Amino acid sequence: RKEVEQDPGPFNVPEGATVAFNCTYSNSASQSFFWYRQDCRKEPKLLMSVYSSGNEDGRFTAQLNRASQYISLLIRDSKLSDSATYLCVVRGGSQGNLIFGKGTKLSVKP
Amino acid sequence: DAGVIQSPRHEVTEMGQEVTLRCKPISGHDYLFWYRQTMMRGLELLIYFNNNVPIDDSGMPEDRFSAKMPNASFSTLKIQPSEPRDSAVYFCASSLPPKGYNSPLHFGNGTRLTVT
Repeated sequence: RKEVEQDPGPFNVPEGATVAFNCTYSNSASQSFFWYRQDCRKEPKLLMSVYSSGNEDGRFTAQLNRASQYISLLIRDSKLSDSATYLCVVRGGSQGNLIFGKGTKLSVKP
Repeated sequence: DAGVIQSPRHEVTEMGQEVTLRCKPISGHDYLFWYRQTMMRGLELLIYFNNNVPIDDSGMPEDRFSAKMPNASFSTLKIQPSEPRDSAVYFCASSLPPKGYNSPLHFGNGTRLTVT
């Protein structure tokens, strides 16, 4: 099993749609979880951290399920500017390194 | 804060040449990471440092790759000799210690390496 797995997509959705991405991780000792966004030919940028109780930032909602070892990202009312690749990121317990999923590509169409 | 600074932005070189990539982390960040990104493999961790000391270099592909961090504000990734399969985007990133949620990575703009 890969350390961090994501559906590569692409997810092609119309503007205004709600879209959800899931991500699974293999290391049960993982402690920190993030969603990053990467635009074409740019560096990854932090979208939001994922807290155990779930958290929301505007149109974006992140959830963590430790028992099932998966993370989700929900985007409501999709905008054209949301088109990007979304990377699920997991940081281990005693280790400092972050493990990135390969990303899920989202394309929002008019 | 200037963010993580990488140089050069683009590097085109011929097979067999030495390539040196440079990175200046965000001031105060104890951790520095080197990643490589390709379409096929995604983002791969090559090596990371804590307080200038290499902690995990298991991702370094082979002996042709080496990384150093002589001080808290500078790191290099060197490829010698370079090969066409090394063509990728190389990212440097820095962060605070990994305890808690105040420790996301901050990436530089990356170096796009092409080896012909």
